Amino acid sequence: ETGVTQSPTHLIKTRGQQVTLRCSSQSGHNTVSWYQQALGQGPQFIFQYYREEENGRGNFPPRFSGLQFPNYSSELNVNALELDDSALYLCASSLGGTSTDTQYFGPGTRLTVL
Amino acid sequence: KQEVTQIPAALSVPEGENLVLNCSFTDSAIYNLQWFRQDPGKGLTSLLLIQSSQREQTSGRLNASLDKSSGRSTLYIAASQPGDSATYLCAVRHNNNDMRFGAGTRLTVKP
Repeated sequence: ETGVTQSPTHLIKTRGQQVTLRCSSQSGHNTVSWYQQALGQGPQFIFQYYREEENGRGNFPPRFSGLQFPNYSSELNVNALELDDSALYLCASSLGGTSTDTQYFGPGTRLTVL
Repeated sequence: KQEVTQIPAALSVPEGENLVLNCSFTDSAIYNLQWFRQDPGKGLTSLLLIQSSQREQTSGRLNASLDKSSGRSTLYIAASQPGDSATYLCAVRHNNNDMRFGAGTRLTVKP
């Protein structure tokens, strides 16, 4: 069984640029959630995708967008990067739709915006 | 708006000690509550998930309890080991799939 993987591991961008982060879900999982974790804080929910449709969104502006593909892998896109976007971005996959829905997290992508 | 608070922010104990980490939340209309472990610079590892209808879950040396009416959960770690050193996060989930995390408790177990 393959776990959740994310790429790249680290990324450095400058303010105003655009970035795409990628996530491969655990085998058999159809739901992917994305989180932003600033240093010293808990993760904050960005959005969730279930079977290629957005299925819930946190308090993030529209410049944070995503996609889920037929194989259930996912992308997080951030436009017009700001300094405060510097954080660890985590994705988590799950089977979805049940109250026993444990989320399995990837190792994260560390984004630095200069 | 759901607020999740974890106390203490940091804890240092000698090896072998039993300990309790606390999590409180303001909105009791939760779907479930999950405890995670995070090692420095790494992703999260799920430890225990408690459904809203349950009172506790156990896995090995870990026991998590949930009291929805008072908005509290505890994570009990028995016979702590240096390998337990990490940040422990609790998270509550709502029906809209929003998962709210606390800021975590940073645990250090000294040999």
